[in-house]
Amino acid sequence: AQTVTQSQPEMSVQEAETVTLSCTYDTSESDYYLFWYKQPPSRQMILVIRQEAYKQQNATENRFSVNFQKAAKSFSLKISDSQLGDAAMYFCAYSLTQGGSEKLVFGKGTKLTVNP
Amino acid sequence: EAGVAQSPRYKIIEKRQSVAFWCNPISGHATLYWYQQILGQGPKLLIQFQNNGVVDDSQLPKDRFSAERLKGVDSTLKIQPAKLEDSAVYLCASGRRGGDTDTQYFGPGTRLTVL
Repeated sequence: AQTVTQSQPEMSVQEAETVTLSCTYDTSESDYYLFWYKQPPSRQMILVIRQEAYKQQNATENRFSVNFQKAAKSFSLKISDSQLGDAAMYFCAYSLTQGGSEKLVFGKGTKLTVNP
Repeated sequence: EAGVAQSPRYKIIEKRQSVAFWCNPISGHATLYWYQQILGQGPKLLIQFQNNGVVDDSQLPKDRFSAERLKGVDSTLKIQPAKLEDSAVYLCASGRRGGDTDTQYFGPGTRLTVL
């Protein structure tokens, strides 16, 4: 079964500094997608970044970038120049396609605190 | 474009009562998902619709949960009767297929408390 593991329940960072959130996953598939979602205290889940497994180049979105290590099944998120608005729960997710359905399998999340 | 809308935002009920949640997806999105997010965990898929047909309901507790998507647009999720362990946030998401995957956009959720 596909699983997603986020080993850091909580992380903190100083404003303007860089932080990396870890994620590992388990799959026997070769083609898949990985996502990072952000969930602020208001609970609206927002897509931060996505990565196609067949692409070797790491995805970037402004201050957010990933380090995708396919062989190690690792997918970490780096936030540069952290801002107060980055404080939230961050969920790593794996896109699983089975029998015509497609669903996201989420990790348990990492709570990020940004200190002023 | 308007996001995924859900209502109500909060609901408190007694165990064994019934409750229903409503979701309006982003216009034009064919896929719709209901997730259950228990405190301290990531969301877990309950059911997936493609237009008005069910694609996956393997993790839906069908003895008490039901869902429908009328005319391929709005959807309702019902719990009858509720149990204490149903206390959670219920998230609705809609999807727009881009490439080989369905990028999902989430609503604000409904926080259910069962007493």
